[in-house]
Amino acid sequence: TQLLEQSPQFLSIQEGENLTVYCNSSSVFSSLQWYRQEPGEGPVLLVTVVTGGEVKKLKRLTFQFGDARKDSSLHITAAQPGDTGLYLCAGLENRDDKIIFGKGTRLHILP
Amino acid sequence: DAGVTQSPTHLIKTRGQHVTLRCSPISGHKSVSWYQQVLGQGPQFIFQYYEKEERGRGNFPDRFSARQFPNYSSELNVNALLLGDSALYLCASSPWTGNSYGYTFGSGTRLTVV
Repeated sequence: TQLLEQSPQFLSIQEGENLTVYCNSSSVFSSLQWYRQEPGEGPVLLVTVVTGGEVKKLKRLTFQFGDARKDSSLHITAAQPGDTGLYLCAGLENRDDKIIFGKGTRLHILP
Repeated sequence: DAGVTQSPTHLIKTRGQHVTLRCSPISGHKSVSWYQQVLGQGPQFIFQYYEKEERGRGNFPDRFSARQFPNYSSELNVNALLLGDSALYLCASSPWTGNSYGYTFGSGTRLTVV
């Protein structure tokens, strides 16, 4: 079973600061997705990266897929309190079409 | 358009009982997946169904079973409930299996076993 490790597990920073969270695996995924989850809700898809080296931007969020398709990062510029939440990375396995989730990074932005 | 709907939203059961959770995917989506999310952890894959056939099964005991109906809705059944089954159960839908472009999740069913 492929595993995804996310770091850090918890992050608390001041509004306006920049941050990066990481998602790493020893295995290759066909694609990698980032979700954000609010308390009591299901995860909401932010982005999917498919090609090694791919970079996608979503307003202040920048997502990168590693060249070898084993790792990914999420960078947030000028964090805002509305960015608070649980950020989950998830890799799609080809073998049985299931998504493997990391344990998540719980982000708290202080106003 | 309605998103993925799950019912009930909350449920309290006693150890040893049986529970059935329900999911209606987005209209036109033929694949439904079930996940268990324990507090403080990421979702863990339980099952995936596509066109009414099981396409994947996670590392869960046989007490867990599921099925998909002709209208693509799905049920997750758990027998002989244990305290450790307390979790948020999430349903996700996608147009087809092997969807590299992401899944849409419901808000989940919060199951508490006492």
